[in-house]
This record gives sequence, C-alpha cells and structure tokens, in this order.
Amino acid sequence: KNEVEQSPQNLTAQEGEFITINCSYSVGISALHWLQQHPGGGIVSLFMLSSGKKKHGRLIATINIQEKHSSLHITASHPRDSAVYICAVIPMGAQKLVFGQGTRLTINP
Amino acid sequence: DAGVTQSPTHLIKTRGQQVTLRCSPKSGHDTVSWYQQALGQGPQFIFQYYEEEERQRGNFPDRFSGHQFPNYSSELNVNALLLGDSALYLCASSLLGSRGTYEQYFGPGTRLTVT
Repeated sequence: KNEVEQSPQNLTAQEGEFITINCSYSVGISALHWLQQHPGGGIVSLFMLSSGKKKHGRLIATINIQEKHSSLHITASHPRDSAVYICAVIPMGAQKLVFGQGTRLTINP
Repeated sequence: DAGVTQSPTHLIKTRGQQVTLRCSPKSGHDTVSWYQQALGQGPQFIFQYYEEEERQRGNFPDRFSGHQFPNYSSELNVNALLLGDSALYLCASSLLGSRGTYEQYFGPGTRLTVT
C-alpha cells in the first residue's frame, strides 16, 4: 500500500462544477503539498499546509492531521484547470516529498 | 527572479551510456532535491543535497549520483543507463527552514529517453 493515496485517479467534469480531490496518508507528517502538473511536465506548488485550511483564488485546501486526510477543492471549475493534481507529504523527520499517484482532472467546456 | 531552471529539456541516450542533468535553484535557496517521474506515475525521491552534501537518499541504485556546487546548483549523474531509466527528472529547490519544513519549487524537468 502506498503511503499516500489519492482519489479519484481520474475525474471529468463540466465547466462550472465544484471539484473535490482527496488525499489520505499513512505516516506522520510535518507538512503536505498540493501540486499541479500540466502536460509537458512542469510542476507548480499550489499549497503547503500543516493544519487547517488555505485559500487561493478558486482553490481551497484543507487538512485534518488527526484523520491523516487532505482535500483540494476547485470552485467554478474552468477548462484551464485541466491538469494532474498531486498530493505530496513531508514525513516527520524526513527532508523529502512522498507523492501520491496524482489525479487527472479534465474540465470540459 | 529566475525560478528553478534545468538543462537540457530533452535528452535521448542509448543503453549503457552515461548522462548528466543540471539544475539551478531558485535565488536564495540552498537545498536541491531530485525526483524521477516515470510515465503515468507520481515522482519518486532520488536524493537531496544541502551544503554540498547528500543529505538523504531514496531507493535508487548507486548508478545514480549527484553533486552540489558552492553556488547551490546541482548535477544528477546516471551511469550505465537502462531502458527503465527513461523518465522525467525533476529538480526542486527549497530553503531549509528552522523546523525542517519547507516549500519546494520545481523546475520544468528534463525528459530522458533511453533507447
């Protein structure tokens, strides 16, 4: 079993829909990243959080440390949001990222 | 302010050859991490360099080696290339915080194809 599990693996939605991507992890962590990867490979860090909730524009990330679970929400989704979204954790005492397998999101106009 | 840069962007090599990939960190960052991302998979941690030393290493064979220079830039070397080494190699830089948690900034990656 992977240390970081994401669901769903693939998600297709219509423009304007509210999107939720989930991430569960099995180790103690010091922080969690949500990352966005477009075709061609470049990765952009969307959020790093270790508690509570963060919001940036139409993106919201939440984390529940006790339940070892995080969610990424996208409000009013747009075709330009189509990308792979990756959850990655920093295990406690480590200096590396451990990645989930990613969620491929497609937003249709 | 330039972000993380990597070179080359694409590379094609033959089995058995050696390759060197390069990474320049974001200005002000002192730590460089390297990741391998096979097609359709999440990235896997190779190793991390801080103060010119390998600080932590993932489950990669000794064929994978690295170096960090005094200006914090880094190289990833892979010897005796195998077909399975074909992947996107990502470099990420960060500033090691006092509590050891830090935000990583990724480069565009180098896509290596081994034939």
